[in-house]
Amino acid sequence: EPEVTQTPSHQVTQMGQEVILRCVPISNHLYFYWYRQILGQKVEFLVSFYNNEISEKSEIFDDQFSVERPDGSNFTLKIRSTKLEDSAMYFCASSERSGNQPQHFGDGTRLSIL
Amino acid sequence: GESVGLHLPTLSVQEGDNSIINCAYSNSASDYFIWYKQESGKGPQFIIDIRSNMDKRQGQRVTVLLNKTVKHLSLQIAATQPGDSAVYFCAETPYGNNRLAFGKGNQVVVIP
Repeated sequence: EPEVTQTPSHQVTQMGQEVILRCVPISNHLYFYWYRQILGQKVEFLVSFYNNEISEKSEIFDDQFSVERPDGSNFTLKIRSTKLEDSAMYFCASSERSGNQPQHFGDGTRLSIL
Repeated sequence: GESVGLHLPTLSVQEGDNSIINCAYSNSASDYFIWYKQESGKGPQFIIDIRSNMDKRQGQRVTVLLNKTVKHLSLQIAATQPGDSAVYFCAETPYGNNRLAFGKGNQVVVIP
């Protein structure tokens, strides 16, 4: 069964450093998403992406965050200058179409900021 | 996703019994709902979805019920198995787009 894959599974970074989280969405899916889950809290929406541009972003997704689809298979989340409060599980998801479609999630990257 | 430190409602159920997991959603404008299962160290796994024009939908061993009057969603698991032990999240689309809003989650522990 096709699945969303994320790398690395765990990333440890010094505060202030840049980090790039990588995702390979399901191959025939057109919509891509990033969510995060801070320990002890709910899964929170960050951003959705379609046709090489952001279609929606939450208030969490500030200027420190960016997303990119550098090629036909990868989808990345970049945090430019990490803060301690960026420590969380980051999940990538994809869906085949827009509107009332299940989003399929990867197993996440645990980001630890020191 | 780890659940260390996460204080979740917990349902303990005997293997073979039926489980019912409940979720109160927040926005009467939501028109699409999903149940996800999350095992330790893994991402949310899609179980079943339902649109707001339905009140019941069945899958393999699972049934989702939607009561829009009281903004309540439930997931029923028939003949619960040890592999069903996980955290279960409901999610809704309150903004009329692809942005999912997740609930807090319910821990299900299956007792062999």
